Amino acid sequence: GNSVTQMEGPVTLSEEAFLTINCTYTATGYPSLFWYVQYPGEGLQLLLKATKADDKGSNKGFEATYRKETTSFHLEKGSVQVSDSAVYFCALGEFQGAQKLVFGQGTRLTINP
Amino acid sequence: GAGVSQTPSNKVTEKGKYVELRCDPISGHTALYWYRQSLGQGPEFLIYFQGTGAADDSGLPNDRFFAVRPEGSVSTLKIQRTERGDSAVYLCASSRLGANYGYTFGSGTRLTVV
Repeated sequence: GNSVTQMEGPVTLSEEAFLTINCTYTATGYPSLFWYVQYPGEGLQLLLKATKADDKGSNKGFEATYRKETTSFHLEKGSVQVSDSAVYFCALGEFQGAQKLVFGQGTRLTINP
Repeated sequence: GAGVSQTPSNKVTEKGKYVELRCDPISGHTALYWYRQSLGQGPEFLIYFQGTGAADDSGLPNDRFFAVRPEGSVSTLKIQRTERGDSAVYLCASSRLGANYGYTFGSGTRLTVV
């Protein structure tokens, strides 16, 4: 079945550092890809998405490019802030009637001032 | 309402008891999803409603789990004879029909079975 594998956490960086969180997937067909973020005490929020190969999703300074050849959707940000501290989830969308999401295990990110 | 509301936010129950978890979706959202998030894991799909009917319940782990949405709005996830392994955060999400994965998630119910 479809699956998502994320970089193991936790990840700790200093403010203004460059961030990469790796995500690879296994899927039949051409799924949509997503990054969700869960801030402390809050619900899951969609951060960005890409619906086809070579699409780049971006939001709040974060970017991820849908790479079909490497089955990857790595999350990047050029200069992180303390407020980016959260748990990040990579996910793929299976459309089989329902628009189900298959999530990775999550990566906890802590940014120190 | 403004967001997806889940109640209670926390529930502690004894092994073997019955529990109900409630989800109040965004008004007008016809699609409703339940997911379960175990500690240190990503959410896993449980069940999907389109309107009043369960269109896909393939993620329910066994017949102790059941969900309803009788009027196409509020949904209740019901767990019978709870087990310690049922302890998790149960997440609800809703979306408009046809929205491309335009989910809005609730903050979840943390269920602890002791």
